[in-house]
Amino acid sequence: GESVGLHLPTLSVQEGDNSIINCAYSNSASDYFIWYKQESGKGPQFIIDIRSNMDKRQGQRVTVLLNKTVKHLSLQIAATQPGDSAVYFCAESRLAGSGDKLTFGTGTRLAVRP
Amino acid sequence: KAGVTQTPRYLIKTRGQQVTLSCSPISGHRSVSWYQQTPGQGLQFLFEYFSETQRNKGNFPGRFSGRQFSNSRSEMNVSTLELGDSALYLCASSLKPSSYNEQFFGPGTRLTVL
Repeated sequence: GESVGLHLPTLSVQEGDNSIINCAYSNSASDYFIWYKQESGKGPQFIIDIRSNMDKRQGQRVTVLLNKTVKHLSLQIAATQPGDSAVYFCAESRLAGSGDKLTFGTGTRLAVRP
Repeated sequence: KAGVTQTPRYLIKTRGQQVTLSCSPISGHRSVSWYQQTPGQGLQFLFEYFSETQRNKGNFPGRFSGRQFSNSRSEMNVSTLELGDSALYLCASSLKPSSYNEQFFGPGTRLTVL
């Protein structure tokens, strides 16, 4: 498959455990945040998003936490499964006003041990 | 429903040449965005088109250009290729501009510049 990143930080977790992937963003004006999953040989896939007026949002087995004070975003995956193995990216955008565009984090590789 | 398709999937060019990549969005999607992905820089936004108009552009030199046709298909062109242009070029489509939570990515075109 395609090599997404040769030197990405890697998080190794046991199947069934919870995973926490962290992301620091840079622009304090960003008001919209997204987490993506990218499997080998595929394009990124939207997982969950959150707006800056929230600090937590839950989806199916995933939770995103936003701490605007320290410009930190995290993705929690409950009961991690082998199919969760992938590279995870956060992205930020500023929806207010014109010229919004996504800025991506460097990514974290999640490896699930059976 | 067919997903986003990109052609070609793989391409090898030499420095100084130009290249054109094609993206066919999901049927009914009118917004197409292009991204460059490299191990060193990660994912970077190139440009977004909606209804045949460039709506937004990232921080790339003028050698990178694009267009969108009336059927929403999009092409991007890179002229005077440089070694650093070697990357995975991803296209994503959505119904409306900046609808990131409804945006679907294609598998990408892997460009190698020799």
